[in-house]
Amino acid sequence: KQEVTQIPAALSVPEGENLVLNCSFTDSAIYNLQWFRQDPGKGLTSLLLIQSSQREQTSGRLNASLDKSSGRSTLYIAASQPGDSATYLCAVHLNTGKLIFGQGTTLQVKP
Amino acid sequence: DTGVSQDPRHKITKRGQNVTFRCDPISEHNRLYWYRQTLGQGPEFLTYFQNEAQLEKSRLLSDRFSAERPKGSFSTLEIQRTEQGDSAMYLCASSQPGDYGYTFGSGTRLTVV
Repeated sequence: KQEVTQIPAALSVPEGENLVLNCSFTDSAIYNLQWFRQDPGKGLTSLLLIQSSQREQTSGRLNASLDKSSGRSTLYIAASQPGDSATYLCAVHLNTGKLIFGQGTTLQVKP
Repeated sequence: DTGVSQDPRHKITKRGQNVTFRCDPISEHNRLYWYRQTLGQGPEFLTYFQNEAQLEKSRLLSDRFSAERPKGSFSTLEIQRTEQGDSAMYLCASSQPGDYGYTFGSGTRLTVV
């Protein structure tokens, strides 16, 4: 059974810091991996999709990497801003079409 | 096309009542998914459709839950005889087959009192 774990569960940093969010999964037989952002009480916004043949994706200040063999993905946020404060969710795509989510990392960036 | 739409955004209902939620996916997406999210947790898979066919249902989807996608476009999720444990955010998502990501709607927040 695929399980996804995100560490840390919560993180508080001063504005401007670079930070890394970690995601691990137990079964390397995944299809794709997707990172989402969720603001309180809202739906999910897709940040980055790493396809099965890729090792990383970049969008602006965000960079996500994927190492299927070790069952790990990281989301790197450069020069963090207060507007980055949200919960970040990692989800693995199974070849059946389902997403399995981690519990999320709640980030607070202090001005 | 403005993305995945869910209606209503919020629903408060008394225990024992039936509720129905609607999801309109992105028009060219033939896959539609329902997830449930409780406070502090990641979303959990409930069910998904490819076109009008319901291909998989989670064990979380008890007999009180039913989902339909009658013409392969919008979908409804009905909960009968609601219980307080049904209080959660219900999220809908759509995708295309292949190496494409999911797009989620804004969710329906259900509160059972």
